[in-house]
Amino acid sequence: DSGVTQTPKHLITATGQRVTLRCSPRSGDLSVYWYQQSLDQGLQFLIQYYNGEERAKGNILERFSAQQFPDLHSELNLSSLELGDSALYFCASSAGGGGQRYTEAFFGQGTRLTVV
Amino acid sequence: AQSVAQPEDQVNVAEGNPLTVKCTYSVSGNPYLFWYVQYPNRGLQFLLKYITGDNLVKGSYGFEAEFNKSQTSFHLKKPSALVSDSALYFCAVRDRTGANNLFFGTGTRLTVIP
Repeated sequence: DSGVTQTPKHLITATGQRVTLRCSPRSGDLSVYWYQQSLDQGLQFLIQYYNGEERAKGNILERFSAQQFPDLHSELNLSSLELGDSALYFCASSAGGGGQRYTEAFFGQGTRLTVV
Repeated sequence: AQSVAQPEDQVNVAEGNPLTVKCTYSVSGNPYLFWYVQYPNRGLQFLLKYITGDNLVKGSYGFEAEFNKSQTSFHLKKPSALVSDSALYFCAVRDRTGANNLFFGTGTRLTVIP
């Protein structure tokens, strides 16, 4: 058990809908990362938050947004969903921000999103 | 920009033989390098990391990796493969300045044949 909790584990929704994925980082970790894993694209970095602030942005669509709350949990919001958004979405957390880049990230089990 | 390349999508090795999963990286300055393993329907599990010092890093489950600065490589190795090592392996890199995100390679599927 990595200590990172993601809910829900599975989500099936229709095109055009909006969903929210939730992540609770390991106790004490300030950084949260979101990744998308699809069969043909590997593991794509979406966005990182550190202590409530956006720290880095990757290939995140404008239809997607995220935030990190004062209690450090994070939510990834996906809207106007398309079939191609079907993927595994992973959250990861690590201890540090800029000053602790050597720390590894620990991953949750992922949320499998299926858009039908 | 930082990037990671895993040139082999698939590696097959016989049980008991040594295994190597290749990784090369591109980053400004010195990198932090990581290996992760993903079993089916599971999240990624941290295996090992290179921060500084000895170029040979030892990690979990008998895995090790060798950092080679001149070849910008960080290959994952194990002296004797087990069937249970069959999984998807990801190499990742983080640079020491700028953005703090962790960039992953596309993954290499390792199959250990009994």
